[in-house]
Amino acid sequence: EVQVLESGGGLVQPGGSLRLSCAASGFTFSSYAMSWVRQAPGKGLEWVSGISASGDITYYADSVRGRFTMSRDNSKNTLYLQMNSLRAEDTAIYYCAKVPGYIVGATLDYWGQGTLVTVSS
Amino acid sequence: SYVLTQPPSVSVAPGQTARITCGGNNIGSKSVHWYQQRPGQAPVLVVYDDSDRPSGIPERFSGSNSDNTATLTISRVEAGDEADYYCQVWDSSSGAVFGGGTKLTVL
Repeated sequence: EVQVLESGGGLVQPGGSLRLSCAASGFTFSSYAMSWVRQAPGKGLEWVSGISASGDITYYADSVRGRFTMSRDNSKNTLYLQMNSLRAEDTAIYYCAKVPGYIVGATLDYWGQGTLVTVSS
Repeated sequence: SYVLTQPPSVSVAPGQTARITCGGNNIGSKSVHWYQQRPGQAPVLVVYDDSDRPSGIPERFSGSNSDNTATLTISRVEAGDEADYYCQVWDSSSGAVFGGGTKLTVL
């Protein structure tokens, strides 16, 4: 059974940093691209970033480019999102999602339950 | 940046057909994917590549895409279909783009 499980969320002050993790199981992690999607309280879905299966190509939304860095460790079946210079508008549930292919650019076929990031003083 | 437009809400009686639209410039040239999100839960893929269904999704869910509008159709609507629905495409300039979401209410 395909599973992705996010962790690392919490309360952080504006300007602070946080690293999210996503542990994958039930599929050959190194063969699939992955994405992060967030959802602010009471709002819709917003794509944040994507990474190819090998980790050599990354994509970012304009709203986070230069502040967030997405990476993966295929030996640990784990995805990461390093978030720096956090702002109040980054407050959201962050979902990890699997792409059914080697490169980002298709659908998102499996999603985790999300981890909540709150940016507040 | 590429924009997808969905109606904020759609209401339908049980047993009837719900149609949720997703508008975008020449969206017919892109692959459209649809997600269902029940309250307090993660999104679930219900239609991908315009009209394909993942395993486990009922045949009542179908999709179409042409010109400037994609449509998710839910036939024989049930109470359990009440949820938010989002369309999504991949744009070479913007990355993954989601519509604003449509709240489906089953009367």
